[in-house]
Amino acid sequence: EDKVVQSPLSLVVHEGDTVTLNCSYEVTNFRSLLWYKQEKKAPTFLFMLTSSGIEKKSGRLSSILDKKELFSILNITATQTGDSAVYLCAVEYNAGNNRKLIWGLGTSLAVNP
Amino acid sequence: NAGVMQNPRHLVRRRGQEARLRCSPMKGHSHVYWYRQLPEEGLKFMVYLQKENIIDESGMPKERFSAEFPKEGPSILRIQQVVRGDSAAYFCASSPPFLKLGEAGERNEQFFGPGTRLTVL
Repeated sequence: EDKVVQSPLSLVVHEGDTVTLNCSYEVTNFRSLLWYKQEKKAPTFLFMLTSSGIEKKSGRLSSILDKKELFSILNITATQTGDSAVYLCAVEYNAGNNRKLIWGLGTSLAVNP
Repeated sequence: NAGVMQNPRHLVRRRGQEARLRCSPMKGHSHVYWYRQLPEEGLKFMVYLQKENIIDESGMPKERFSAEFPKEGPSILRIQQVVRGDSAAYFCASSPPFLKLGEAGERNEQFFGPGTRLTVL
C-alpha cells in the first residue's frame, strides 16, 4: 500500500534551535516529493525534490531527498517563533496516465521564545 | 494573476442540508484537486478533476459527495444531506497541465486556495 509517514508528529523547541523533520515513503512510480508549510490556513509550497542528494535551500530551510532509502528531511536552522506551523510532506507518483499525490499527516512544530 | 479562489470561506449547515463549495483555479490551470482536513488530522485527498472529467475520485466517499469541473465556471464540491462528521476544512488546489520533470524550472506543484470551513450543526 502506498504511504507517506512523517516523524515526529509534534515537536517543541526553543528559538534558535535547529530541527530536522523526517518524511519516509513507499510508492511505486515515484515522481517527486514536496514539502509544504501550513499555518492556520492553506498549505504553502516550500520545496519540490526529484533527485537524490541535491540539497534545496531557502533561507534557513533546506531539504534533501534519498531515493534509495526512500526518505527526505527538512532542516530548519536558527528557528524563530514564526516557524511554528505544521509541515506537510507529499509524494507525487504516476498512476497510469495520471499523477497522484499522497500526503503525510504532518509534523506540528512549536517554537517557543 | 489571482490565486486559487474558494467560496464561501465559512459555511454553516444544519444536518440534512446540502453544502456547495466552489473553487476557481488559477488562470491557465486545468487541474483541480479537492482535499479535506479534519481537526487534528492531515490533508486527505478526495478527488482530482480536469475540465469536464473526473480523473481520480478514490478519496471521496461513495455516498452524498460529488464533484464536477464544468467547461465553464468553477469546480464544485457538493455534499448532500450533511452530517456532523462532515465538519472540516475543505481545500482546493490547482495545477497547470502536466509538466515533464525538469521542464519549466520544476514548478510542478499545486497551488492551494484559502479553504472553506464547513460547520455542520
